[in-house]
Amino acid sequence: NAGVTQTPKFQVLKTGQSMTLQCAQDMNHEYMSWYRQDPGMGLRLIHYSVGAGITDQGEVPNGYNVSRSTTEDFPLRLLSAAPSQTSVYFCASSPTTGKWETQYFGPGTRLLVL
Amino acid sequence: AQSVTQLDSHVSVSEGTPVLLRCNYSSSYSPSLFWYVQHPNKGLQLLLKYTSAATLVKGINGFEAEFKKSETSFHLTKPSAHMSDAAEYFCVVGGDSSYKLIFGSGTRLLVRP
Repeated sequence: NAGVTQTPKFQVLKTGQSMTLQCAQDMNHEYMSWYRQDPGMGLRLIHYSVGAGITDQGEVPNGYNVSRSTTEDFPLRLLSAAPSQTSVYFCASSPTTGKWETQYFGPGTRLLVL
Repeated sequence: AQSVTQLDSHVSVSEGTPVLLRCNYSSSYSPSLFWYVQHPNKGLQLLLKYTSAATLVKGINGFEAEFKKSETSFHLTKPSAHMSDAAEYFCVVGGDSSYKLIFGSGTRLLVRP
């Protein structure tokens, strides 16, 4: 049971490049989400999904796309990277729908956009 | 709308002394509150959560927190700090749905030998 895994661990991009951050979980959790962490700002929700085929926007969705074709995977796509997207990105998952379930976090992806 | 404020960005204690990390919340209804810990270069791990049961919540590694509605506070405490407690701690409130969490800005705990 690997929990929540994220790849890559670290990535450097040039402005305008695109990339996909991968997230997978093997706990059969229906809820998955992406956060970004910036110094002094805690974690902010980018997008989330309550099950395969269902996604919704969080607090800071601009510049990011997501899709959820399977229960296990929830990739985050940057279509045209900007320096403002330099951050640490965390994926999280939780069992479905019981109120305020514990969220399980991956180890993070550190992204630098030049 | 829900919000959470962590009153200290940094806290420094000596090993073996008590730890107090302060958190105030704002919520339009009975909140669910959490403390998460993040060790350097790691993901976040749940320490404890309050979901309207007992107001004193015990978590992992000897941490506990007390929900005080009159003070809108949810401070995290530990009687005796250990070097391994050095980390960043986040106070979190449940948002306007069962899924969304609102994070505080974090408190970095430094433990001196």
